[in-house]
Amino acid sequence: AQSVAQPEDQVNVAEGNPLTVKCTYSVSGNPYLFWYVQYPNRGLQFLLKYITGDNLVKGSYGFEAEFNKSQTSFHLKKPSALVSDSALYFCAVRAVSGAGSYQLTFGKGTKLSVIP
Amino acid sequence: SQTIHQWPATLVQPVGSPLSLECTVEGTSNPNLYWYRQAAGRGLQLLFYSVGIGQISSEVPQNLSASRPQDRQFILSSKKLLLSDSGFYLCAWSSGGRGEQFFGPGTRLTVL
Repeated sequence: AQSVAQPEDQVNVAEGNPLTVKCTYSVSGNPYLFWYVQYPNRGLQFLLKYITGDNLVKGSYGFEAEFNKSQTSFHLKKPSALVSDSALYFCAVRAVSGAGSYQLTFGKGTKLSVIP
Repeated sequence: SQTIHQWPATLVQPVGSPLSLECTVEGTSNPNLYWYRQAAGRGLQLLFYSVGIGQISSEVPQNLSASRPQDRQFILSSKKLLLSDSGFYLCAWSSGGRGEQFFGPGTRLTVL
């Protein structure tokens, strides 16, 4: 079975500082990895994905994530946080093939608060 | 471009009443469709997914059901709502089974 862990329920960062939201995963075989953002009472918005290739993936709104196979991690990063980045962030994983490959498994989410 | 619609946006229903939530996708054909429930503004639970008309896979035993009467229409139903059915229901689509999923705006259901 595949799983995702987001070890921090909440991350606080000062505006202008770099931010990191952590994610580790467990899956049989190679993973597809995703980050989503959710604003209050809204659906999830896709930020970025790792399928194959370069371990550093760039996405929307200046976010990027680094795939680390040996550490089974896919941490979300941004060099300079904005107050408007404050939201709930979800990491998700899908197996490339086999059982569960149609399903995204989500972490429990990390609430990011950017302090002015 | 593709868009996904859900309605209603909010719904308040008494315990024991029926439920019908609708999701439609525009701008794509033969999408994979998904229903999720999000409780307490946090984790997402996959309820159902569909890879084609009339093909529904259920992930969690419950009093909810799903149907896909048309290629781009996905309906979530219940004959009798329970208090525990309250939550934020999200519909999503993907092109094939391998890519990212795109989410609708959600329906906030409150069962009283």
